[in-house]
Amino acid sequence: KAGVTQTPRYLIKTRGQQVTLSCSPISGHRSVSWYQQTPGQGLQFLFEYFSETQRNKGNFPGRFSGRQFSNSRSEMNVSTLELGDSALYLCASSFDRLSEQYFGPGTRLTVT
Amino acid sequence: AQSVTQLDSHVSVSEGTPVLLRCNYSSSYSPSLFWYVQHPNKGLQLLLKYTSAATLVKGINGFEAEFKKSETSFHLTKPSAHMSDAAEYFCVVSDLRGSTLGRLYFGRGTQLTVWP
Repeated sequence: KAGVTQTPRYLIKTRGQQVTLSCSPISGHRSVSWYQQTPGQGLQFLFEYFSETQRNKGNFPGRFSGRQFSNSRSEMNVSTLELGDSALYLCASSFDRLSEQYFGPGTRLTVT
Repeated sequence: AQSVTQLDSHVSVSEGTPVLLRCNYSSSYSPSLFWYVQHPNKGLQLLLKYTSAATLVKGINGFEAEFKKSETSFHLTKPSAHMSDAAEYFCVVSDLRGSTLGRLYFGRGTQLTVWP
């Protein structure tokens, strides 16, 4: 069974731009979560989607948003990029909201 | 509130010697506990999980962890380290119910170095 895939793997953007990251979960998984990893803050929860609905949201500004499609694929969007948004963005999928989460390889976003 | 404390930011061992990575947690409800490993420039790989069954949990690559409720600890061990174990390890807690269901709380990580 294929794992979680994330595209693109690497992105370079300039301040003020917006970016969309994509995540395809493991087949049959219905829950998708997003995390931000930085050297300073570690791994922080962004949001969780289940059945196309956001179920949980972390402590991030409204510039960070996401959605989930009927096939469970998910996208996250960051608008008006700031230098501090440079990070590894990890997507994780699970069968349901109680099951263990499996992570993709991440998207490395660099904001210049 | 849920939180995880990994007691060592760095651990160094010689190949063939035991590994101990320490983790304490707090949780408002009955928790699930996990250990994940991250190799350089890679995503996170699930090593093992505890979900209120046996307190001694066996994972992949010879790792195991023991859940001790009285000590709120979930330490990760391996009898004999291998060079390929060098990586960063994260202890993670998740609630099985409540408003934060489905959300993972990560420790700050322990960097494991294995010397030949």
